[in-house]
Amino acid sequence: GDQVEQSPSALSLHEGTDSALRCNFTTTMRSVQWFRQNSRGSLISLFYLASGTKENGRLKSAFDSKERRYSTLHIRDAQLEDSGTYFCAAEAANTGKLTFGDGTVLTVKP
Amino acid sequence: NSKVIQTPRYLVKGQGQKAKMRCIPEKGHPVVFWYQQNKNNEFKFLINFQNQEVLQQIDMTEKRFSAECPSNSPCSLEIQSSEAGDSALYLCASTGTLSNERLFFGHGTKLSVL
Repeated sequence: GDQVEQSPSALSLHEGTDSALRCNFTTTMRSVQWFRQNSRGSLISLFYLASGTKENGRLKSAFDSKERRYSTLHIRDAQLEDSGTYFCAAEAANTGKLTFGDGTVLTVKP
Repeated sequence: NSKVIQTPRYLVKGQGQKAKMRCIPEKGHPVVFWYQQNKNNEFKFLINFQNQEVLQQIDMTEKRFSAECPSNSPCSLEIQSSEAGDSALYLCASTGTLSNERLFFGHGTKLSVL
């Protein structure tokens, strides 16, 4: 069954606002990655986390270090170029299998 | 940020035709994955390699696809007889080890089967 539940499925933000995406996992995960896919299909790696938090510019990601059952991606001061589809992908601790979320379509409006 | 190179970017085939796509993994990455992403954004794992060896593949890949990662040549994934349902974005990714490492994806090959 599905091991990764990503929310929201779609998100519309005005420039300059903040928001967060979330992935819940139905099993303990070893690591999580976040990607942004642009309109041409290119998947850009944003973060890889085995635990804790990482920050890069206006993006920050966290991976629950205790239960290892969820991860978040925070977007601060959203810009037009942040628009795209965001995916989390998590590696199961027991099998090593990588499972992708269903994606969040983010639209940033002026 | 990725140095994984996939060709061609777009591929159009008729039903029953072969469809071949290639991937050059990032230098120094011995592990290569192929994924299929459908129009609903769902990712399906197809096959992975460590160096030239197949590690895992799903039934569909084993039955209908031909895939290899020869040394000193690009990896390739070829559908032997394309079907309409094969229309999708095919993504290649590489990494340094099989687990606990960041995956880097190529730009993908968008296959349309008419």
